[in-house]
Amino acid sequence: DTEVTQTPKHLVMGMTNKKSLKCEQHMGHRAMYWYKQKAKKPPELMFVYSYEKLSINESVPSRFSPECPNSSLLNLHLHALQPEDSALYLCASSQGGSAAEAFFGQGTRLTVV
Amino acid sequence: GENVEQHPSTLSVQEGDSAVIKCTYSDSASNYFPWYKQELGKGPQLIIDIRSNVGEKKDQRIAVTLNKTAKHFSLHITETQPEDSAVYFCAASISTNAGKSTFGDGTTLTVKP
Repeated sequence: DTEVTQTPKHLVMGMTNKKSLKCEQHMGHRAMYWYKQKAKKPPELMFVYSYEKLSINESVPSRFSPECPNSSLLNLHLHALQPEDSALYLCASSQGGSAAEAFFGQGTRLTVV
Repeated sequence: GENVEQHPSTLSVQEGDSAVIKCTYSDSASNYFPWYKQELGKGPQLIIDIRSNVGEKKDQRIAVTLNKTAKHFSLHITETQPEDSAVYFCAASISTNAGKSTFGDGTTLTVKP
């Protein structure tokens, strides 16, 4: 099983709403990532979790709040977003160490209205 | 930090022809170079990767070459098929943290039947 599952697939939220994106993997990977992808652009790294601890925050605004409840789950809590935050949000995971392959989920298409 | 340049940005080929996409990277510490295929509405899918201790790797119709000295790596697709049409991203990272990849800007490949 090389699957990273993200829910929901689509999300429309208002600027005052609070919502969460979820990501799950059962490959035993110890590193998990959030990426943001705008149309016709490459993915941009937002956060890295290693062994359930936040190891990298790429200067992401505080309206995005990641959480790693356990080794299989990764959440991204959203609050007071702006229309320019509309994008495809991708989760990825990798084993770490010498096993370098990273696997991406299908993404959540977020629209902020 | 790492900088990855990818060319061309768009590529159109006739079915059965070969396609070549080239990338350059700047950080000599990078040692892991994956290639991703992203279809419309989906997340990036790892299609092939190469490590810095290898010069070439092949998987059926797909091959990747790496020139460490020149900091170049390339994706070669032979006998292209319409289902190869997608956006292709190259990336560079350090293998122990492969999810923290720097991506090229992507190449939109169109294979005409």
